[in-house]
Amino acid sequence: GNSVTQMEGPVTLSEEAFLTINCTYTATGYPSLFWYVQYPGEGLQLLLKATKADDKGSNKGFEATYRKETTSFHLEKGSVQVSDSAVYFCALSDRASGGSYIPTFGRGTSLIVHP
Amino acid sequence: NAGVTQTPKFQVLKTGQSMTLQCAQDMNHEYMSWYRQDPGMGLRLIHYSVGAGITDQGEVPNGYNVSRSTTEDFPLRLLSAAPSQTSVYFCASSYSSGHEDTQYFGPGTRLTVL
Repeated sequence: GNSVTQMEGPVTLSEEAFLTINCTYTATGYPSLFWYVQYPGEGLQLLLKATKADDKGSNKGFEATYRKETTSFHLEKGSVQVSDSAVYFCALSDRASGGSYIPTFGRGTSLIVHP
Repeated sequence: NAGVTQTPKFQVLKTGQSMTLQCAQDMNHEYMSWYRQDPGMGLRLIHYSVGAGITDQGEVPNGYNVSRSTTEDFPLRLLSAAPSQTSVYFCASSYSSGHEDTQYFGPGTRLTVL
């Protein structure tokens, strides 16, 4: 079956530090890959996505590249801010047995950024 | 657009009580789903629907029922609440159940079962 593995958190950084959150996946088909972000007390919202190998998704200074050869989709940001403190979820969308594409989420990685 | 709305925001139940968590979306999305979020477990899919009148089970469906009589609404029913159902519940929707579709999440319902 499909699965998504993320690095465990919390990840604690100082403001302006470089961020990497690792994500690897297992899928039977050719999935789309997503990063979602959850701010405290809120639902998840899309951060970025990539739909085929070698695509790069980017938004708000965050980037992730779809690497089929290493089955990875690592999230990076060059300089984090306190406002980036949140939980980040890696997800994939792959075809289920009924023909629909059902999302599978990782367990989430908490990011804490200190001033 | 209000997006995806969920009610109530908080609920406390006693073991054995039943209740319905409401979810509605105004984006004319075909696909809707329910997740529960527990510490260290991430998001687990409970039930989903690819259109009005069509529902299917996800990873953790036991103890929950759903129906989809309209495109807009997708209520989740707890038949006989148990402490193991204490969790935060999220409803999500997307335009379709396609390869590239983004999920839009509601703000969540925090449920405590005593």
